[in-house]
Amino acid sequence: TQLLEQSPQFLSIQEGENLTVYCNSSSVFSSLQWYRQEPGEGPVLLVTVVTGGEVKKLKRLTFQFGDARKDSSLHITAAQPGDTGLYLCAGGISSYKLIFGSGTRLLVRP
Amino acid sequence: KAGVTQTPRYLIKTRGQQVTLSCSPISGHRSVSWYQQTPGQGLQFLFEYFSETQRNKGNFPGRFSGRQFSNSRSEMNVSTLELGDSALYLCASSHGGQGSYGYTFGSGTRLTVV
Repeated sequence: TQLLEQSPQFLSIQEGENLTVYCNSSSVFSSLQWYRQEPGEGPVLLVTVVTGGEVKKLKRLTFQFGDARKDSSLHITAAQPGDTGLYLCAGGISSYKLIFGSGTRLLVRP
Repeated sequence: KAGVTQTPRYLIKTRGQQVTLSCSPISGHRSVSWYQQTPGQGLQFLFEYFSETQRNKGNFPGRFSGRQFSNSRSEMNVSTLELGDSALYLCASSHGGQGSYGYTFGSGTRLTVV
């Protein structure tokens, strides 16, 4: 059974601080995706990484895929209240199935 | 272009009843996946359809079923509802079945079983 472990589960920080969310597994994934979900809505795709060691930047968000394609991290620089939400990582185990992590609930206080 | 549309948004059912949820994918997307989201279990994969064929199924009992129509719209059905079926049911679509490159999710159907 493929599992994706996310840490931390909860994070409450002050506006302007930096943070990193981790996503780890013992399984190799064909791709790793990050989503953000707000209450009452479906997850929204932030990024997809497919190559081991790949780093992608999206404004203040930096995503990294581990060399062995088993883990990933999301780093947010100078967090803002608008970054508040549930962050989910998802590993692709085939072209049509994703395994989701348990999520990291982020609260950025003004 | 229009996003993924799920109907209804909210549903309250009684134990033992059955329910049908609907999902209209983004125009041109032929792959539709269904997920169940609960506070305790997170997002769990239910099944995926591509061109009316179920290609993959998660570890859910046979009470959970689905289908896809020729216009790519999909429905999922849950029979003999149990309290534990209360959850947010999410539908996601992707173009050409390339789910590995990202899904577009609908807003979900919040099912409450009483």
